[in-house]
Formats: sequence, structure tokens, C-alpha cells
Amino acid sequence: AQSVTQLDSQVPVFEEAPVELRCNYSSSVSVYLFWYVQYPNQGLQLLLKYLSGSTLVKGINGFEAEFNKSQTSFHLRKPSVHISDTAEYFCAVSATSYDKVIFGPGTSLSVIP
Amino acid sequence: DVKVTQSSRYLVKRTGEKVFLECVQDMDHENMFWYRQDPGLGLRLIYFSYDVKMKEKGDIPEGYSVSREKKERFSLILESASTNQTSMYLCASSSRDSKLRETQYFGPGTRLLVL
Repeated sequence: AQSVTQLDSQVPVFEEAPVELRCNYSSSVSVYLFWYVQYPNQGLQLLLKYLSGSTLVKGINGFEAEFNKSQTSFHLRKPSVHISDTAEYFCAVSATSYDKVIFGPGTSLSVIP
Repeated sequence: DVKVTQSSRYLVKRTGEKVFLECVQDMDHENMFWYRQDPGLGLRLIYFSYDVKMKEKGDIPEGYSVSREKKERFSLILESASTNQTSMYLCASSSRDSKLRETQYFGPGTRLLVL
């Protein structure tokens, strides 16, 4: 079975500062990895995903994430955040042979003007 | 664009009532999912369906049932609502196409309050 850990439940950061949201997973099989974002009062939308190939994945809105197999991590980064990035961010994992996706508990990013 | 719609954004029900949450997707996706979202717990899978009339239990199916009579529609049923079912309910769909199956598309959510 897979599981996902997001160690930081809340991350406050000043506008235009860099940010990293941490995600670690556990799995005994090959996985796909995802980051989803949920803006206030909305459903989730896909930010980026790692399926195979390059370990550095670029997503929408200037976000990127790096898959590190040895550390079983998939941290999300952005070099300069904007107020509009304030949202809940969910890391998720799926075994490559299944359709179920396991979500982490989420990290609330608050961008301070 | 993929669109997943949920019948209500907000619902208030009383304990013991039967509650129906409807979800419709317009992309001919085979897979559909129901999650509940609670603070600090993230999303937890209640039920999912791979095809019409098929359903599989997720991680927390107790107190819920589902119905999928048509490919585009997936209903979540609370047979007898209880206060611990107060939550945000999210519906999602995904394709079984090999290039698309990994991405789930979410509806806006239904915030249910059970009094």
C-alpha cells in the first residue's frame, strides 16, 4: 500500500520569496506522483505530475517538483510566490498499475503581502 | 475542458435524513470517485467506480452507498445522515486512456452540514 506524508500543515511566506512544500511517500511498487492545488471554495486541480522520465517536473503557475527515488520525496518549489498562490496544496501518489490515488493531508500556503 | 459538476455547493440536513449527492462529468470518463475532505486529514476515498453499475469500496465506505446507472453520473447516498458526516464532499473522474488515466478532474465540492 502507498502512503503520503506532508510534514508541514501550514507554510506562511512573504510575497516574492521562494517556497518549498515537502512531500514524502512510501510504496513497495513503482508510483506516479502528483501535486494538486485547491484554491478557496474550489475543487482540486492538477498542478503537475511525475509519471516517468526526467525527475524535474514543471507545472502550471511557475511551480516545479523534483522526484527523488532514494529519498522517496517529491517536493514542490516556486522561486517567487504571489498572493494568488495562497491555497491548499496536496501531494498524491498512485501505484502505476492502479487507478486509486492516495492523497496527503495537505499543506496550507499563505502568502503574506 | 473537462467539466465535473456537483448538484449542490451547500447542503444542510437533519440527522437521520437520506441525502443524495449527485456528480456529473462530461468527458466520457470511465472512472469516477467520491472523496470526503476534512481538515488535517486530506482527502479520503469513500467509493469509486470503474464502469456503469460497478462500484468498489474505498477507505471509508461505512454509512455511504453509491449508484452509477449512467456513465456520466455517479451518486453518493447517505442512507441516514449523522453529524459525523458533516464534511466537504468532492467528486472526481479520470479516463482509462493510458495517457490520461493518471489525472483526476474534480468538481467544486459540496459542503454538507448535518444538524
